[in-house]
Amino acid sequence: DSGVTQTPKHLITATGQRVTLRCSPRSGDLSVYWYQQSLDQGLQFLIQYYNGEERAKGNILERFSAQQFPDLHSELNLSSLELGDSALYFCASSLGQTRSGANVLTFGAGSRLTVL
Amino acid sequence: AQTVTQSQPEMSVQEAETVTLSCTYDTSESNYYLFWYKQPPSRQMILVIRQEAYKQQNATENRFSVNFQKAAKSFSLKISDSQLGDTAMYFCAFIRSQGNLIFGKGTKLSVKP
Repeated sequence: DSGVTQTPKHLITATGQRVTLRCSPRSGDLSVYWYQQSLDQGLQFLIQYYNGEERAKGNILERFSAQQFPDLHSELNLSSLELGDSALYFCASSLGQTRSGANVLTFGAGSRLTVL
Repeated sequence: AQTVTQSQPEMSVQEAETVTLSCTYDTSESNYYLFWYKQPPSRQMILVIRQEAYKQQNATENRFSVNFQKAAKSFSLKISDSQLGDTAMYFCAFIRSQGNLIFGKGTKLSVKP
């Protein structure tokens, strides 16, 4: 158990629908990161939050949004889902927000989304 | 732009032998950090090893070591005495100034008995 909790583990939904993925960071970590891993692909960075504020944005679609709440958990909202959104969505957390070898990202087990 | 390139999509090695996975990166920064993550069939992302760019000494973690060539922007991972449990996807990653990681596309390593 990495200490980063993601729910749900698996989710099957239809095109056009909206889903919410939830992440609870490791105790003490202030930064949360979201990554998307499509079939046989590397991890694409979506978005990063630090202590409730957005810090960096990657290849996140306009149909996707995220936020980090005061208790530091984060939610990734995916709307108007398309077949191509089927992927494994990872949440990771770290203590800080800076480029540091000590700022190691710890990953959750992922949420597997299947869009039919 | 900062990029990470892993040129070997798949590799295989016999159990107990040594294998080296390649990674190159591109950055204009002088101080940065590099990581190797492992993703076994369970899909969990596991940190294998990290290297600080300002340190000339190559990092080592048990059977895992790196060959860091800063001038060449190369960061290879050597796995000694390969074990069946080393079968996984291996991702090289570069940490950006905000703290998020940029990953390569990965190398699928199969350890054969």
